[in-house]
Amino acid sequence: EAQVTQNPRYLITVTGKKLTVTCSQNMNHEYMSWYRQDPGLGLRQIYYSMNVEVTDKGDVPEGYKVSRKEKRNFPLILESPSPNQTSLYFCASSLSSGAPSFNNEQFFGPGTRLTVL
Amino acid sequence: KNQVEQSPQSLIILEGKNCTLQCNYTVSPFSNLRWYKQDTGRGPVSLTIMTFSENTKSNGRYTATLDADTKQSSLHITASQLSDSASYICVVSANNAGNMLTFGGGTRLMVKP
Repeated sequence: EAQVTQNPRYLITVTGKKLTVTCSQNMNHEYMSWYRQDPGLGLRQIYYSMNVEVTDKGDVPEGYKVSRKEKRNFPLILESPSPNQTSLYFCASSLSSGAPSFNNEQFFGPGTRLTVL
Repeated sequence: KNQVEQSPQSLIILEGKNCTLQCNYTVSPFSNLRWYKQDTGRGPVSLTIMTFSENTKSNGRYTATLDADTKQSSLHITASQLSDSASYICVVSANNAGNMLTFGGGTRLMVKP
């Protein structure tokens, strides 16, 4: 089944304790992206990657790192999490980095709910 | 700055009734507009995608319209069902590098029996 998977789905941690949220897709998609979703603010892009070893900042990159060593994986790293990073995180992928279209649909993962105490 | 605004923020309707959700955007250069349905605790799922030249697009009981001149879109849900209870998100894509999407804040719809 074609899908985007994220792990963990739920995580409660403490301030300053490094954590990684994994994202994997099995559709051979070039483009992958991370979003956070907060009440009243909608989805905001954190980082995106157009292809292996190519990453770039989105709208709210502060406090996050990403890497794209393999095409299928795009982990989100919080080196020193803070309470303002408590949020619902979504990973997404699409076939290419070209303009979104009918053949370039963006698929979302199930989400990771992170709480930083 | 690219922005997408949706209204209303929340809506409660009775099962079987119709409803219309609104989306206004200021995204340039415009590429396409999509409506997503997001069930609680799940990732968004695409309902419709419309390009500049399309005025309307249907997906079952969902019909989206687009007026590129006024930069407005609407999502009409016909004969609502309890399973339509979800957040509906309008997303506008700019025709630039990076596949940048601008998300609206969503409309939370609750369908009551």
